[in-house]
Amino acid sequence: DVKVTQSSRYLVKRTGEKVFLECVQDMDHENMFWYRQDPGLGLRLIYFSYDVKMKEKGDIPEGYSVSREKKERFSLILESASTNQTSMYLCASSATGRYGYTFGSGTRLTVV
Amino acid sequence: GENVEQHPSTLSVQEGDSAVIKCTYSDSASNYFPWYKQELGKRPQLIIDIRSNVGEKKDQRIAVTLNKTAKHFSLHITETQPEDSAVYFCAASNFLSGGSNYKLTFGKGTLLTVNP
Repeated sequence: DVKVTQSSRYLVKRTGEKVFLECVQDMDHENMFWYRQDPGLGLRLIYFSYDVKMKEKGDIPEGYSVSREKKERFSLILESASTNQTSMYLCASSATGRYGYTFGSGTRLTVV
Repeated sequence: GENVEQHPSTLSVQEGDSAVIKCTYSDSASNYFPWYKQELGKRPQLIIDIRSNVGEKKDQRIAVTLNKTAKHFSLHITETQPEDSAVYFCAASNFLSGGSNYKLTFGKGTLLTVNP
């Protein structure tokens, strides 16, 4: 019963490509988040959204943008992929008034 | 913004021993402190959490303690088992009533290895 689905488990892209990472949740959660996970650095927040069409920058938004046109879908966009964006990307969602996150399985992106 | 420090980065224990992971936070307004467990190749999963109006919370073999004055909180695992081997993350947040405050700041993680 997967509740947060990330469209790709593994992705290989070339430097300079525009990359879309998709995340869909079926729990009617208001809040959605994109984190990147790197060894020794933990989980760092890129962007989050607390409502449709609303977005806020996290701690490391440079080089990324997001889109949330529908409540269930939150997309992370790498405008021009670079090798330093090679990482594991984790999507998460949470309901307003409830604190726990539900994470997706992650997308391991390699930029070559 | 919030900053969460987590120690140690790696921890190796013998099966049956206890394990303790410690975190400190910087924002005195933080009021929610969850712990996540991530097994190899899997997604992080919430294992226990505590709010700032509580000093300790237990769930079977795991417990979390919070010292608001010192701004630190700890995860305690007793009678460790090999299946406890994973990366553990602490996190903190100031959950107010507004949606934009529902973000978590995570520590860098602790790799716990339980040796049989």
